[in-house]
Amino acid sequence: DIVLTQSPALAVSLGQRATISCRASQSVSISRYNLMHWYQQKPGQQPKLLIYRASNLASGIPARFSGSGSGTDFTLTINPVQADDIATYYCQQSRESLTFGSGTKLEIK
Amino acid sequence: QVQLQQSGAELAKPGSSVKISCKASGYTFTSYYISWIKQTTGQGLEYIGYINTGSGGTNYNEKFKGKATLTVDKSSSTAFMQLSSLTPDDSAVYYCAHLPGQVPGYFDYWGQGVMVTVSS
Repeated sequence: DIVLTQSPALAVSLGQRATISCRASQSVSISRYNLMHWYQQKPGQQPKLLIYRASNLASGIPARFSGSGSGTDFTLTINPVQADDIATYYCQQSRESLTFGSGTKLEIK
Repeated sequence: QVQLQQSGAELAKPGSSVKISCKASGYTFTSYYISWIKQTTGQGLEYIGYINTGSGGTNYNEKFKGKATLTVDKSSSTAFMQLSSLTPDDSAVYYCAHLPGQVPGYFDYWGQGVMVTVSS
């Protein structure tokens, strides 16, 4: 299985930039497609798709969310961070079967 | 708009089975795959498998073969997951999710989740 590694937590100040990383144990890119996706989950809610294929903003998601990366290293950026963004963020790959990262909990500094 | 409405919480005894449902609306049910995902505090999010809602064909994560059985009822636009030979390790929240494109892929809509508790 492809293992996705995320830092457990990240603390940022409101209005600042948050950079959440996800590293894959092997490449999740095929040709021009980067098969990494990002979700936001708030307590008691289901995950919500934010970014698909590394850099595509999902429908209805604010432009302060963006994604980048290729190969094994990917980043979700939130800029500027708002209070409503407090949540856990998961990466997920679909290059080989399907696995999720363990999540990064975004906290306010 | 796509909606996935899941059945209610389940309390089951070890060794028994449960069958949870996921009713889809807002789109042509047989045009898209439905997947199932398990979430626990310890293991995080785990992909269980997906079902082709048109043909009934399935794909399972090796870990869940023999544990989960995925089916659909096209007449009611409902997907089902049966979990068998339950143990406390099966206690979790189970989500169904809509796959908008090629499989495997990403999930653009999720059900609200079903909490399954296995306890004697």
